[in-house]
Amino acid sequence: GAVVSQHPSRVICKSGTSVKIECRSLDFQATTMFWYRQFPKQSLMLMATSNEGSKATYEQGVEKDKFLINHASLTLSTLTVTSAHPEDSSFYICSARRQRPYNEQFFGPGTRLTVL
Amino acid sequence: AQTVTQSQPEMSVQEAETVTLSCTYDTSESDYYLFWYKQPPSRQMILVIRQEAYKQQNATENRFSVNFQKAAKSFSLKISDSQLGDAAMYFCAYRSGGDQFYFGTGTSLTVIP
Repeated sequence: GAVVSQHPSRVICKSGTSVKIECRSLDFQATTMFWYRQFPKQSLMLMATSNEGSKATYEQGVEKDKFLINHASLTLSTLTVTSAHPEDSSFYICSARRQRPYNEQFFGPGTRLTVL
Repeated sequence: AQTVTQSQPEMSVQEAETVTLSCTYDTSESDYYLFWYKQPPSRQMILVIRQEAYKQQNATENRFSVNFQKAAKSFSLKISDSQLGDAAMYFCAYRSGGDQFYFGTGTSLTVIP
């Protein structure tokens, strides 16, 4: 199956700093990627849809100025958590859509963010 | 908005036995996909099985099968001959026409040796 990577896998930062998380589709082009967050023992919640070359679409309740998404190439989307606070600590997962040979999505392994 | 409900936070099954995980969903769309994902402690989401809404035939994948009741908006997962490696969190998911996934709250499955 197709491979999606995330970097870093774990990050610890101080409150007030910004953190960038990368999501890459390694063996296919992805015009669309998705970002989710998952709190401990909870479900994945869709945060935003990232479209290559255009602005991301955010779900209701997600602060677009807080969670900056950039999808500058067909294989890379980045999520930047700006001015991180402890309540932003979570597990962030991306998925990438591969359209050929048929529409399918593949999930990355996730990034654990801890804000001190 | 689409909602996905898993009413069983935890389930357990004896090794080699069969277990069924429940899922219901709500949508006004006619074209969609339903999925079951497994999330082991590594947190990597692993696709177990998928069902296209336009297909009446229930999907099967080796020991995994679904009971898809479109009118009732129900999509349960049956695991036959349960194995220790099946222990994980299982998420039911709905994929909309825009390709966004909406996940249920998950069912934690324990397999008892």
